Amino acid sequence: AQSVTQLDSQVPVFEEAPVELRCNYSSSVSVYLFWYVQYPNQGLQLLLKYLSGSTLVESINGFEAEFNKSQTSFHLRKPSVHISDTAEYFCAVTGGYNKLIFGAGTRLAVHP
Amino acid sequence: DAGVTQSPTHLIKTRGQQVTLRCSPKSGHDTVSWYQQALGQGPQFIFQYYEEEERQRGNFPDRFSGHQFPNYSSELNVNALLLGDSALYLCASSSSNTEAFFGQGTRLTVV
Repeated sequence: AQSVTQLDSQVPVFEEAPVELRCNYSSSVSVYLFWYVQYPNQGLQLLLKYLSGSTLVESINGFEAEFNKSQTSFHLRKPSVHISDTAEYFCAVTGGYNKLIFGAGTRLAVHP
Repeated sequence: DAGVTQSPTHLIKTRGQQVTLRCSPKSGHDTVSWYQQALGQGPQFIFQYYEEEERQRGNFPDRFSGHQFPNYSSELNVNALLLGDSALYLCASSSSNTEAFFGQGTRLTVV
């Protein structure tokens, strides 16, 4: 069975500071990995994905994540956060057919 | 492209009632998945429809059922509502070569 563990339920950080949101997964098969972001009272938006190839993937708004197979991790990082990055972030894994298994989420709170 | 659209956006129902939620997939997508997101938790997979058949199902009771129509739109039905069914219900559409795109969700409150 597949599972996802997000190691921090809340991450407070000051504006322009770096941040890392941690995600570990468990799977017996090859996986695809995703980070989704959810703003208040909204659905989920895809932030970035790892399907194959380069283990470092980047989003258009400065986030990046690195797939580490030996540590079964897919941590999300941003070198300098903005107030607008305040949201809930979900790590997810799928083994096929786009059935997603989500972690419990990490609430990123960016303070001025 | 309107993306994934869900209706209604909010709904209040009484325990024991039945509810139907609707989803229209993104243009070009043929697969619809439904998720339940309880307050403060990550989304949980309910089931997935493809070619008008339930292809996969999560760990949800039979009170949760669904349907997919020839135009790929989908409905989620929940019978005999419980207080614990209060949640945000998310619809996601996809195709064989795309990731899942989510709608804004339907907020169901059971009183």
